[in-house]
Amino acid sequence: GQSLEQPSEVTAVEGAIVQINCTYQTSGFYGLSWYQQHDGGAPTFLSYNALDGLEETGRFSSFLSRSDSYGYLLLQELQMKDSASYFCAVGWMDSNYQLIWGAGTKLIIKP
Amino acid sequence: EADIYQTPRYLVIGTGKKITLECSQTMGHDKMYWYQQDPGMELHLIHYSYGVNSTEKGDLSSESTVSRIRTEHFPLTLESARPSHTSQYLCASSESHRMSVGEKLFFGSGTQLSVL
Repeated sequence: GQSLEQPSEVTAVEGAIVQINCTYQTSGFYGLSWYQQHDGGAPTFLSYNALDGLEETGRFSSFLSRSDSYGYLLLQELQMKDSASYFCAVGWMDSNYQLIWGAGTKLIIKP
Repeated sequence: EADIYQTPRYLVIGTGKKITLECSQTMGHDKMYWYQQDPGMELHLIHYSYGVNSTEKGDLSSESTVSRIRTEHFPLTLESARPSHTSQYLCASSESHRMSVGEKLFFGSGTQLSVL
């Protein structure tokens, strides 16, 4: 079946920049999404990439390279409130367009 | 702002009980989903619906059922709860999916279920 790989945990310092990577199996891939989930909360949508390149939304950016089956989420000017889990999710045509989710990356921010 | 509601927020029940988790959205979205998520783990799709009278099974559907009689309502029923069902259940809805814009899911706050 299809699968995604992302690091289980990343630690960074407040004010710094951090990159969270996501690699996926190819075959009918049609887009990469990122969601943020605070402890005890529900996932919230951050960004979506269908084509190669960088999408920027404020302090957050997301990148996709379809040829490398790879994407990342870039968080700049880290704030303590960014401490959360970040999930990449991919839609595949052979999963009837439903999203397949990564296991999530827990971002720990230190003052 | 997303308007999708789940009740109850927390539920503790005994083994063998039948339970229904409620989910309602006021955004008029056609697509709705139920996911199961254990702490620190990925989301697993249980059931989804493309609209009224449409229901489809996900990866973890074998022990539960759903119905979609109204656009705004998508309840999940466990016929006989077991300790292995202890988990968080998340309901979500989305407006559409097109490759160009993807599929933005709006999630409810979840139901934390504990089966003793």
